[in-house]
Amino acid sequence: NAGVMQNPRHLVRRRGQEARLRCSPMKGHSHVYWYRQLPEEGLKFMVYLQKENIIDESGMPKERFSAEFPKEGPSILRIQQVVRGDSAAYFCASSRITLLQETQYFGPGTRLLVL
Amino acid sequence: GENVEQHPSTLSVQEGDSAVIKCTYSDSASNYFPWYKQELGKRPQLIIDIRSNVGEKKDQRIAVTLNKTAKHFSLHITETQPEDSAVYFCAANDFGNEKLTFGTGTRLTIIP
Repeated sequence: NAGVMQNPRHLVRRRGQEARLRCSPMKGHSHVYWYRQLPEEGLKFMVYLQKENIIDESGMPKERFSAEFPKEGPSILRIQQVVRGDSAAYFCASSRITLLQETQYFGPGTRLLVL
Repeated sequence: GENVEQHPSTLSVQEGDSAVIKCTYSDSASNYFPWYKQELGKRPQLIIDIRSNVGEKKDQRIAVTLNKTAKHFSLHITETQPEDSAVYFCAANDFGNEKLTFGTGTRLTIIP
């Protein structure tokens, strides 16, 4: 059973370009979460999605950032007009749907470097 | 929203000794508390979690205790080994919302 997949693992962008980060959840999981981790810091929640729905985007910056989880295909975190401060590791996690809080399993992350 | 504080930020322990990391949370409605281990350049990996209906949970050398009244929970690692060296994060959920709020992490170093 494959784990959470993320690609690319490393992404280099120049200021002003767009970054697209992809996340495929574990088989059987329909909840996806995106977290950002700055160097030497903890994980900060960005957005929580289910298929075709954004459940909680309270951690997303108001501008330039968007996320989607379409009916078919991976979840996408999109950053438009990147700035140097966007350089970070972006982790996605997935979990199942049950009545209880379920374990979140993390992907390997995408390390974004903005030049 | 939830606020999680974690202490200490760094911890050095002699191999074979025990390590304890403590976290406090602010939202009394939180009911799920996982601990993740992150090695350098790797993904966070769940090592143990506890729900609010129990006060303690153990898995071999790792245990977690929860005090709901005081709103704090702790990770205990016994008989530490060099491979326990990593950054450890505690987290708490927002009740009714599955997002996790993480502590700032503890860098644990096991001294051979």
